Amino acid sequence: DTGVSQDPRHKITKRGQNVTFRCDPISEHNRLYWYRQTLGQGPEFLTYFQNEAQLEKSRLLSDRFSAERPKGSFSTLEIQRTEQGDSAMYLCATSRGTGDNQPQHFGDGTRLSIL
Amino acid sequence: KQEVTQIPAALSVPEGENLVLNCSFTDSAIYNLQWFRQDPGKGLTSLLLIQSSQREQTSGRLNASLDKSSGRSTLYIAASQPGDSATYLCAVSNQAGTALIFGKGTTLSVSS
Repeated sequence: DTGVSQDPRHKITKRGQNVTFRCDPISEHNRLYWYRQTLGQGPEFLTYFQNEAQLEKSRLLSDRFSAERPKGSFSTLEIQRTEQGDSAMYLCATSRGTGDNQPQHFGDGTRLSIL
Repeated sequence: KQEVTQIPAALSVPEGENLVLNCSFTDSAIYNLQWFRQDPGKGLTSLLLIQSSQREQTSGRLNASLDKSSGRSTLYIAASQPGDSATYLCAVSNQAGTALIFGKGTTLSVSS
């Protein structure tokens, strides 16, 4: 399997701008998760897709955040009107949907810096 | 609310030592537990997954144990090497296919 691919690796933007990140899953992985990680902390769950359906959203996912997974393949995470507190590493993970005890496999993340 | 704690936060050992990393969770009704490794500026690499019905899993020099009733897991690393230096994260899932809840990790440094 090729791994989970995330793009871009780094994004620097000014406060108030919109940003969009992309995640390409491992082939045939129909579960896709977004997490956010700040320095010295473990990743925190944002949202989860099974195929194209968004099944769960964390309270961390404010109205400025939106995620999509059209056709159940790649996913995008958009942050509108970015704030300083949005600076973090955004991680995507995917897993197989067949069989419940499937490990989540992570990409290398997108590091977002808000100026 | 499930909370995951990892102790110690940091650990330094000389090469060749065997070591144990600890993970505890507050709600014993977990579905599975996963150990990850994270190198600086990188994503997470899955090391081991233990199902709630299992007591341990082994992969090479790594052995992870699970005591669900006491809310604890340990990751045992045998004969540590400098290449093992990284942050090790423990995460639990409360239901099949749902989000992982992570601890803050243990940063391991192995000196040669």
